[in-house]
Amino acid sequence: ETGVTQSPTHLIKTRGQQVTLRCSSQSGHNTVSWYQQALGQGPQFIFQYYREEENGRGNFPPRFSGLQFPNYSSELNVNALELDDSALYLCASSWGGVSYTFGSGTRLTVV
Amino acid sequence: GQQLNQSPQSMFIQEGEDVSMNCTSSSIFNTWLWYKQDPGEGPVLLIALYKAGELTSNGRLTAQFGITRKDSFLNISASIPSDVGIYFCAGQIDGSQGNLIFGKGTKLSVKP
Repeated sequence: ETGVTQSPTHLIKTRGQQVTLRCSSQSGHNTVSWYQQALGQGPQFIFQYYREEENGRGNFPPRFSGLQFPNYSSELNVNALELDDSALYLCASSWGGVSYTFGSGTRLTVV
Repeated sequence: GQQLNQSPQSMFIQEGEDVSMNCTSSSIFNTWLWYKQDPGEGPVLLIALYKAGELTSNGRLTAQFGITRKDSFLNISASIPSDVGIYFCAGQIDGSQGNLIFGKGTKLSVKP
């Protein structure tokens, strides 16, 4: 059974650029959630995808968007990057919204 | 964003000691989860609680879902060096919406 894998592990972007982060869900999981974790804080919920549809969203602006594919993998897209977007982005998968398994995250630095 | 009140923020442990931490919320939750996060890694699920009053153990770890549904605690008995890390509580109101609300974490370090 493979766990949740995220790519890339680290990247550096310039303010105003766009970024795409990728996540492969754990085998058998049909639900993917994305979280933003600032340094020294707990993860903050961005949104969740189930059956390729967004079915829950946290307090993040529309420039944060996502996709889920038929194989349940997912992408997080962030447009017009701001310095405050620098954080660890975590993907979590589950079956039916129970007992989420997290990936190791993507460390995004915006300069 | 909304977060749970988790305490203590940090604590030092000596091998063999018991450790306690807790989370409180002004909101009622239907699920409480406890995670551990090591540097450079994502959170790893330790214990999941689904019913008010539930007491669940996982080895040396024990967690309880408060009867008011607004709090939970985690105990670690006979701590060992590999217990060092950051522990997060997370509450969930509705599983279908996926919204886990996390505390700010309790950082466990080894006593110098």
